[in-house]
Amino acid sequence: GENVEQHPSTLSVQEGDSAVIKCTYSDSASNYFPWYKQELGKRPQLIIDIRSNVGEKKDQRIAVTLNKTAKHFSLHITETQPEDSAVYFCAATSYSSASKIIFGSGTRLSIRP
Amino acid sequence: KAGVTQTPRYLIKTRGQQVTLSCSPISGHRSVSWYQQTPGQGLQFLFEYFSETQRNKGNFPGRFSGRQFSNSRSEMNVSTLELGDSALYLCASSLAVGTGGSYEQYFGPGTRLTVT
Repeated sequence: GENVEQHPSTLSVQEGDSAVIKCTYSDSASNYFPWYKQELGKRPQLIIDIRSNVGEKKDQRIAVTLNKTAKHFSLHITETQPEDSAVYFCAATSYSSASKIIFGSGTRLSIRP
Repeated sequence: KAGVTQTPRYLIKTRGQQVTLSCSPISGHRSVSWYQQTPGQGLQFLFEYFSETQRNKGNFPGRFSGRQFSNSRSEMNVSTLELGDSALYLCASSLAVGTGGSYEQYFGPGTRLTVT
């Protein structure tokens, strides 16, 4: 069945450094890859997404890359700040079943001052 | 626009009982999805409703069911509760209108269910 693997499960970086979270997916029909950020006690919120016809997308300090051949996609956060501390979830789905989103297991990102 | 709302926010039930959770989507959103969030299993997809029809289903037992009303509000029901059903249940709404459309899911605050 569909599966999304996410690594690492925890990540601690110095403030100002970059953070990278990697995911792989199993369903070759997947063509939409959102990333959600969940702060402690809050609901998940979409921070960036990418579709299969694009290899990279950037929004200020965050970027996502997609390698469809290898079924890999990654989240890159540059110049990390304390407010980046949260749990990040990658996810994969296909347009044909766009609301059946399969999430990765999450990465707890901590930013050290 | 008002966001996604869920009621109740907290619930304590006893093993064997049943529970009904409610979700009101953002106005205009016709798709409502339900997820179970636990520390060990992360976010797991339960099912999705669109125009009162279950369109997608995850790998959960038949004790988990749902429905959607004509105003897009959705309910999920869990019968014969087990200790392992203790979790945060999140619903999310989206436009999800097909290729090229918006697929962003807007999550509600969740209902924290504790089964004792």
